[in-house]
Amino acid sequence: DQQVKQNSPSLSVQEGRISILNCDYTNSMFDYFLWYKKYPAEGPTFLISISSIKDKNEDGRFTVFLNKSAKHLSLHIVPSQPGDSAVYFCAASGHNQGGKLIFGQGTELSVKP
Amino acid sequence: SAVISQKPSRDICQRGTSLTIQCQVDSQVTMMFWYRQQPGQSLTLIATANQGSEATYESGFVIDKFPISRPNLTFSTLTVSNMSPEDSSIYLCSAVTGNTEAFFGQGTRLTVV
Repeated sequence: DQQVKQNSPSLSVQEGRISILNCDYTNSMFDYFLWYKKYPAEGPTFLISISSIKDKNEDGRFTVFLNKSAKHLSLHIVPSQPGDSAVYFCAASGHNQGGKLIFGQGTELSVKP
Repeated sequence: SAVISQKPSRDICQRGTSLTIQCQVDSQVTMMFWYRQQPGQSLTLIATANQGSEATYESGFVIDKFPISRPNLTFSTLTVSNMSPEDSSIYLCSAVTGNTEAFFGQGTRLTVV
């Protein structure tokens, strides 16, 4: 049972344009969501997070939107840069989960110059 | 944030042998976890490393196969025992500080031949 789903395995975007990465979840007990970026041969790097009490969180070029009714969140990167090319993982956690994360399958973003 | 060092970064092992992976965090953390990323798949939680007591394993993972130690707040080890080619994966150590963001080591790429 995949509780966190990223249905797009890959996404290609032109440099300077917006990248939108999507994530869906099924467990209504999740109340904290995170996005990680992963380059080959490196561990995941934390990007941005959002609590279920919010519907938007912004940090520089990165914005995460949360739609609790739809159990959907998205990561917007504006403007996209070639250095953003990586695999992006969505992760979710519940307040009683002690920091354990459930990850989506990942979306490989390619930003073309 | 926390800086997490994992070693070895990669290894090629013979089937039937065991490998111990070490994880060192540069600051005291509340929680430490071990994840596995099999080829082409997402990150899956193996277990929570509990300081001074037995680890808490997720469904599908057992102590005999993946013994874990955590003698203090900043160090943990994961052993992959009696390895088979199916154990070929990236193994990742993760730590959570007072906040809820989890930080990751660079991972250990294990190939079993």
